[in-house]
Amino acid sequence: AQSVTQLDSQVPVFEEAPVELRCNYSSSVSVYLFWYVQYPNQGLQLLLKYLSGSTLVKGINGFEAEFNKSQTSFHLRKPSVHISDTAEYFCAVSDLGTYKYIFGTGTRLKVLA
Amino acid sequence: DGGITQSPKYLFRKEGQNVTLSCEQNLNHDAMYWYRQDPGQGLRLIYYSQIVNDFQKGDIAEGYSVSREKKESFPLTVTSAQKNPTAFYLCASSIVGNNEQFFGPGTRLTVL
Repeated sequence: AQSVTQLDSQVPVFEEAPVELRCNYSSSVSVYLFWYVQYPNQGLQLLLKYLSGSTLVKGINGFEAEFNKSQTSFHLRKPSVHISDTAEYFCAVSDLGTYKYIFGTGTRLKVLA
Repeated sequence: DGGITQSPKYLFRKEGQNVTLSCEQNLNHDAMYWYRQDPGQGLRLIYYSQIVNDFQKGDIAEGYSVSREKKESFPLTVTSAQKNPTAFYLCASSIVGNNEQFFGPGTRLTVL
């Protein structure tokens, strides 16, 4: 069965430091991959997506992610975080040709001053 | 502005009462979804609809019902059969054939 694993439930990091949020998935078919951000008591906003093509995907707010098919990973990175990046981040996978997302359990990023 | 609206933002109900959560979109999307979010569990799919007058159960449909009479609207009813209804509910929509989903602001339901 398809699944998404976000190993880190919480990641504290100091302001202006780099951060990597990890996401691994299991699927036997080709997939689409997504990262969403959620601020408290709000909906989800798309950060970036991998559909095909270049394995390095750039998104909004300075985030990027790299699709690694052999390791079935799609880790999210930002070279220098800001206080405003404090939020919960969700990785999601969708099989080609379907409309269903499978979400990870989320990683709460806390940026410290 | 195009987008998805959910109302109300906060909802309180007594145990045993049915309650309906509203979701409206003006993005002209064919597909709509309902998710439930609980702390530490991510989002779980309740129901989805790819076309008017048709919908499918997701992973946790028991105790919920939906209708899709109009393209723009996909209301969710939380029935008294749902054993633990207190949660944050998110509605989303997408273009059929495009996997990117757009989310509404959510409704936080608390059953007292």
